[in-house]
Amino acid sequence: SVLTQSPGTLSLSPGETATLSCRASQSIRSNYLAWYQQKPGQAPRLLIYAASIRATGIPDRVSGTGSGTDFTLTISRLEPEDFAMYFCQQYGGSRNTFGQGTKLEIK
Amino acid sequence: EVQLLESGGGLVQPGEALRLSCVVSGLTFSRYAMSWVRQAPGKGLEWVSAIDGGGGVTTYYADSVKGRFSISRDNSKNALYLQMNSLSAEDTAIYFCAKDRSSLWFGELDSWGQGTLVTVSS
Repeated sequence: SVLTQSPGTLSLSPGETATLSCRASQSIRSNYLAWYQQKPGQAPRLLIYAASIRATGIPDRVSGTGSGTDFTLTISRLEPEDFAMYFCQQYGGSRNTFGQGTKLEIK
Repeated sequence: EVQLLESGGGLVQPGEALRLSCVVSGLTFSRYAMSWVRQAPGKGLEWVSAIDGGGGVTTYYADSVKGRFSISRDNSKNALYLQMNSLSAEDTAIYFCAKDRSSLWFGELDSWGQGTLVTVSS
């Protein structure tokens, strides 16, 4: 099952809302879909798991929604530290693949 | 604070072997499944291998490394290992170790190391 993220690059200003999409070629079992943030030279950081559950320490302006094959990561009131790469991941059982990523850059 | 520290990366020639290590602190290491995830320069993330925790010894591999890589752990040393044999240029990447939220491998990776760079080149 392939994960396709869109857009490839998203250019926004601080204070705006980012909407990132992750589409799976096959339905994801039990919504086992995670989102990670990665900044240059750093390790990925888990933001969301099980499609909509925020990881420890993630603010509530970060939210995940979706089911089946279509999932969305929404980041409201963008702050300078939000500008980074974002990857979605399907997991559970034999499936453990990542999307190609969306770059969120400052406009 | 949970910390994961990888080591063992470097420059090797095609066909050679390398062993990566990851030492974990700040949690009860034995309880959790662990994974290796790699990232080729400028590319996305690729899960490589995982091993159950909680006393389990089951291991899991991506098709791209099956038969060449071997994952193991030493709970007495809070350490995770990745033995990589028959390396090729396609294995060039930063290798991250990551902790699973569960004792059995699942894939929700909530803590990561900073990575160690493996370069395979003649």
